[in-house]
Amino acid sequence: GENVEQHPSTLSVQEGDSAVIKCTYSDSASNYFPWYKQELGKRPQLIIDIRSNVGEKKDQRIAVTLNKTAKHFSLHITETQPEDSAVYFCAAIPYSSASKIIFGSGTRLSIRP
Amino acid sequence: GAGVSQTPSNKVTEKGKYVELRCDPISGHTALYWYRQSLGQGPEFLIYFQGTGAADDSGLPNDRFFAVRPEGSVSTLKIQRTERGDSAVYLCASSPGLGPGELFFGEGSRLTVL
Repeated sequence: GENVEQHPSTLSVQEGDSAVIKCTYSDSASNYFPWYKQELGKRPQLIIDIRSNVGEKKDQRIAVTLNKTAKHFSLHITETQPEDSAVYFCAAIPYSSASKIIFGSGTRLSIRP
Repeated sequence: GAGVSQTPSNKVTEKGKYVELRCDPISGHTALYWYRQSLGQGPEFLIYFQGTGAADDSGLPNDRFFAVRPEGSVSTLKIQRTERGDSAVYLCASSPGLGPGELFFGEGSRLTVL
């Protein structure tokens, strides 16, 4: 089955700087890679996702890159703002099985004013 | 409703008691997931339903945990003989079920076992 590793577990950046969170996965059949943001006491919400037919996807200040050969993908947040402070989770899902969706352990991002 | 609804939002029970947690998914979503989240951890997969059937229950930790979805909509997670280690937030999520895509999470049910 799929195994997803995420790092760092905590990340503190100065407001306005960039933040990068990285995930590696084990199942080469995985082809869908979502990122979820969970604010304190709230539900996880999808912020961006990428499918294996593209190497990069961007949505305003957020981008995700995928390296299928190395089996890793990354979340990039530019021009960080206080509201970016949250826990971020990645996941990797094979198209053949949308059942057991395994999440990474999470990265707690703190934005310093 | 507009989103995934979970009840109760908070449940405090004593060790050894039985609890039920309810999830009402987004209308029309055929896929339903239960996850457990402990403080500072990622969501831990418990069980996945496609329609009425449990397509994958490999995440249920032991036979004290059971979940049903009799009519393919509302689901109930049942925990027998609760233990203190069962304390966590239980998250339910649904998706349209047409291949991998966005999971829509509920606010969760916080279970505390004293």
